[in-house]
Amino acid sequence: TQLLEQSPQFLSIQEGENLTVYCNSSSVFSSLQWYRQEPGEGPVLLVTVVTGGEVKKLKRLTFQFGDARKDSSLHITAAQPGDTGLYLCAGDYTGTASKLTFGTGTRLQVTL
Amino acid sequence: GAVVSQHPSRVICKSGTSVKIECRSLDFQATTMFWYRQFPKQSLMLMATSNEGSKATYEQGVEKDKFLINHASLTLSTLTVTSAHPEDSSFYICSARFASGRADTQYFGPGTRLTVL
Repeated sequence: TQLLEQSPQFLSIQEGENLTVYCNSSSVFSSLQWYRQEPGEGPVLLVTVVTGGEVKKLKRLTFQFGDARKDSSLHITAAQPGDTGLYLCAGDYTGTASKLTFGTGTRLQVTL
Repeated sequence: GAVVSQHPSRVICKSGTSVKIECRSLDFQATTMFWYRQFPKQSLMLMATSNEGSKATYEQGVEKDKFLINHASLTLSTLTVTSAHPEDSSFYICSARFASGRADTQYFGPGTRLTVL
């Protein structure tokens, strides 16, 4: 059974601060997705990383896929209240997104 | 990104009744859709994989006779919660697999909040 551990589980920071969320596994993934979910809504895809060592940027968000494709990180620069939400990583070890393994989730709260 | 819709967004029903939830991929065809369940403050739990034109594949511990899945077309999958009971109250989310050249991924619907009284 593939497991994805996210850390921290909960993070409360003030606007303007930086943060990093980690997603770790003992399994190798062919790709990994990051999603953000707001209360009462479905997860929204932020990024898909495929290549080991890959770094992708989405405005103030920077995503990195580990060289061995077993871990990933999400770094947010100058967090804003609009970044508040549940961040989920999801690993695909089949190569066809036929079954995603979801991380435990990181709940981020950004206050003014 | 690809768009997936769900209907209804929320439903309240009496114990013993059946509830049908629809999941549609609006701008792409999806041979595979997925149904998840999410409890408060928890991550998503995969219930079943819905394959167009064939039987769904259920995860261990998920009762296939209670959670009926039909994937009648390339853009529609339905989940029917039969004889619903209060313990079935949850947030149900569907997703559809989108095939791209680099990596397939899943796009999620907005979810359906089911409350069984």
